[in-house]
Amino acid sequence: QKEVEQNSGPLSVPEGAIASLNCTYSDRGSQSFFWYRQYSGKSPELIMFIYSNGDKEDGRFTAQLNKASQYVSLLIRDSQPSDSATYLCAVAPLGDSWGKFQFGAGTQVVVTP
Amino acid sequence: EAGVTQFPSHSVIEKGQTVTLRCDPISGHDNLYWYRRVMGKEIKFLLHFVKESKQDESGMPNNRFLAERTGGTYSTLKVQPAELEDSGVYFCASNKETYYEQYFGPGTRLTVT
Repeated sequence: QKEVEQNSGPLSVPEGAIASLNCTYSDRGSQSFFWYRQYSGKSPELIMFIYSNGDKEDGRFTAQLNKASQYVSLLIRDSQPSDSATYLCAVAPLGDSWGKFQFGAGTQVVVTP
Repeated sequence: EAGVTQFPSHSVIEKGQTVTLRCDPISGHDNLYWYRRVMGKEIKFLLHFVKESKQDESGMPNNRFLAERTGGTYSTLKVQPAELEDSGVYFCASNKETYYEQYFGPGTRLTVT
């Protein structure tokens, strides 16, 4: 079982619709959760982070965390063509390896006009 | 504020040769991380520096990889001798505090032929 799992996609979303991305993780002790966006050939760019159960909203983005279910999601509202990218879920474990982010393979999102 | 920079952006070497990658973190960031993404796989942690000390090097694949961060500023990652399976994109990231988001550089694409 992979430490962090994401659907690879591609996830095709009409412009203006909501894109829903999911991520599950295996380490129950994980404390911090991050969503990065990566355009082809570019560096991962932080979109959001979430530490507590529940929802966190930032503009068109909402992160949702459920530690009991070991599940974190990202919603992109009013999707734009510029949102077309690969979205990476990253999880930070607890303990001595607190800097050792574990990444999912990423979900490719394609927003169609 | 300048972001994380990496040099070179692309390196093509032959099997058995040596390559040195460089990373300059964001000024003031004590934490520096190296990651690698092999084609088709997720981004994988290599190691973590706190200032000039190695906090966690559990992700280093073998002793052909040597990372240094003299003086706690920039870091180098040397691969000697390079093998075909070392090909991939090597990312560097940095942050000021533990558990917080990591800021990624643009990566160095290493191709070993």
